[in-house]
Amino acid sequence: DGGITQSPKYLFRKEGQNVTLSCEQNLNHDAMYWYRQDPGQGLRLIYYSQIVNDFQKGDIAEGYSVSREKKESFPLTVTSAQKNPTAFYLCASSIYRGQGPYNEQFFGPGTRLTVL
Amino acid sequence: QQQVKQSPQSLIVQKGGISIINCAYENTAFDYFPWYQQFPGKGPALLIAIRPDVSEKKEGRFTISFNKSAKQFSLHIMDSQPGDSATYFCAAVIRGGTSYGKLTFGQGTILTVHP
Repeated sequence: DGGITQSPKYLFRKEGQNVTLSCEQNLNHDAMYWYRQDPGQGLRLIYYSQIVNDFQKGDIAEGYSVSREKKESFPLTVTSAQKNPTAFYLCASSIYRGQGPYNEQFFGPGTRLTVL
Repeated sequence: QQQVKQSPQSLIVQKGGISIINCAYENTAFDYFPWYQQFPGKGPALLIAIRPDVSEKKEGRFTISFNKSAKQFSLHIMDSQPGDSATYFCAAVIRGGTSYGKLTFGQGTILTVHP
């Protein structure tokens, strides 16, 4: 049963704490992405990775960090430097075939982070 | 900078009616326009997509209309059903060039279809 799993589904954090969101995929996809979703703002790209041990900043990377040690895993750490971390976080993955074809992104079920 | 603008923010339609969601883009380098559907508490899923050299694409009750000169595209849902109630996102992507294929999303439209 292939897909993308994110854990936990709900996460509560105190101000000043770092927290790590998990994302795992068994689709054998090369590329993985992290998005943040806020009401009325659509999805905004935080980080993406096209290959193991390499990742790039997206549009709103400040206050976040990632790692890509395995093809299947792309954890996101929300650090205390992120000023407004309460949001719905979505992980996605896609085949990476380079330029030309549209490499459809498949999304996980998301993690809702609330800072108390 | 919001490169894809989507309207309306929310939409209420009666069962059997037509739902219309509009998007406008600025960057003429965009060369693929997917629509995503998201149910509450779930991740978005690809619904339908169109290339800019096509003026219309239809899949079942869902149709994309594309106006390249106006830099606008829209999603029409015919015979809307309560099960269509979801948030819909338009998006745009540059497939070629040096881009990895980054999706730029609109703000989203919350569609409610009343029975």
